[in-house]
Amino acid sequence: QKEVEQNSGPLSVPEGAIASLNCTYSDRGSQSFFWYRQYSGKSPELIMFIYSNGDKEDGRFTAQLNKASQYVSLLIRDSQPSDSATYLCAVIMFSGGYNKLIFGAGTRLAVHP
Amino acid sequence: DTGVSQNPRHKITKRGQNVTFRCDPISEHNRLYWYRQTLGQGPEFLTYFQNEAQLEKSRLLSDRFSAERPKGSFSTLEIQRTEQGDSAMYLCASSLEAGGLTGELFFGEGSRLTVL
Repeated sequence: QKEVEQNSGPLSVPEGAIASLNCTYSDRGSQSFFWYRQYSGKSPELIMFIYSNGDKEDGRFTAQLNKASQYVSLLIRDSQPSDSATYLCAVIMFSGGYNKLIFGAGTRLAVHP
Repeated sequence: DTGVSQNPRHKITKRGQNVTFRCDPISEHNRLYWYRQTLGQGPEFLTYFQNEAQLEKSRLLSDRFSAERPKGSFSTLEIQRTEQGDSAMYLCASSLEAGGLTGELFFGEGSRLTVL
């Protein structure tokens, strides 16, 4: 089992729709969860983090966390073509005596006009 | 530009040659990370430093890989006797950590390695 799993996509949504991106993780002890966005040919950039169960909203983005189900999601409302990118779920995991940020393979989102 | 800087941006080499990448982190950041990313995959953890100390090296990293961060400033990642499987984007990131890992990493633009 991979440490952080995501559906690779592509997830195709029409402009203005809600895009829903999902992620599961293996370490039940993980406490910190992140969504990074990576445009094609560019490096990842942090867009949201969430530590507590429930929802966290930031503009058009909402992160959702369910630690019991080991599940994290990202909702993008009113999707725009500029949101087309790969979305990487990342989790802080403790191993080898240190915390590390472990990434999933990413879900590619395509927003079409 | 005060972001994370990596060079060279692109490196093409023949199998068996050694290559070295350099990363200059954001100046006040005390942690520096190396990740490797191949097409269609997320960044894969390689190693990281707290100031000049290398805290952990991934078990996936063979002995051909070595990283240093002298004086806790810039870092180098050397790959000896390159193999075609080493072809990837090598990403450097830095962060400012007062205690536990916050997870907010700032990435450089990466160094793309192609091994022929």
